[in-house]
Amino acid sequence: AQKVTQAQTEISVVEKEDVTLDCVYETRDTTYYLFWYKQPPSGELVFLIRRNSFDEQNEISGRYSWNFQKSTSSFNFTITASQVVDSAVYFCALSEASEGGKLIFGQGTTLQVKP
Amino acid sequence: EPEVTQTPSHQVTQMGQEVILRCVPISNHLYFYWYRQILGQKVEFLVSFYNNEISEKSEIFDDQFSVERPDGSNFTLKIRSTKLEDSAMYFCASSGGWWGDTQYFGPGTRLTVL
Repeated sequence: AQKVTQAQTEISVVEKEDVTLDCVYETRDTTYYLFWYKQPPSGELVFLIRRNSFDEQNEISGRYSWNFQKSTSSFNFTITASQVVDSAVYFCALSEASEGGKLIFGQGTTLQVKP
Repeated sequence: EPEVTQTPSHQVTQMGQEVILRCVPISNHLYFYWYRQILGQKVEFLVSFYNNEISEKSEIFDDQFSVERPDGSNFTLKIRSTKLEDSAMYFCASSGGWWGDTQYFGPGTRLTVL
């Protein structure tokens, strides 16, 4: 079974639209961390956010916001007023205490923002 | 801002050849990782390394793979006898702390095995 599921394979929006990328995770640990990374067309992995399992506060950073809900095991990512530069593959990842330091990635969601 | 660097950016090799991929982690980081991403697929963990030892490895990381920190700055991944299926992007990452700490990734090395 997938530990991190990003059900949306590809999303296409027009610039200035809001878009939400879904991430559902599965773990038996009570202590874990969740991450989002961005992979632009140039290929590198850019860290966006880290959240631990004890902190369910939503976070906002500029046009980006994250909604963490333990009750539904979800950690969704919203981009407000999307821009063409947001076009990338976005990965959600899980790090569990029982699994040491490794990151378990989801399949990624390809976001295309059209002008 | 400190960053992880990797060389080369692209390596082409013949099947059966040995390759060494190099990484320079962020200087005050203590934990090092290798991941790979086959084209169009998700990023997969290969190995983690701390205090000159492998901490954890995945089932992908078989006897053909090895890692080393030959000096105080470099961290290398060696594939002894490359196979076609080793073609992928290989990412190095480092973190200051153990699990849960943010891992910062290098730009990757694209390995093409012919």
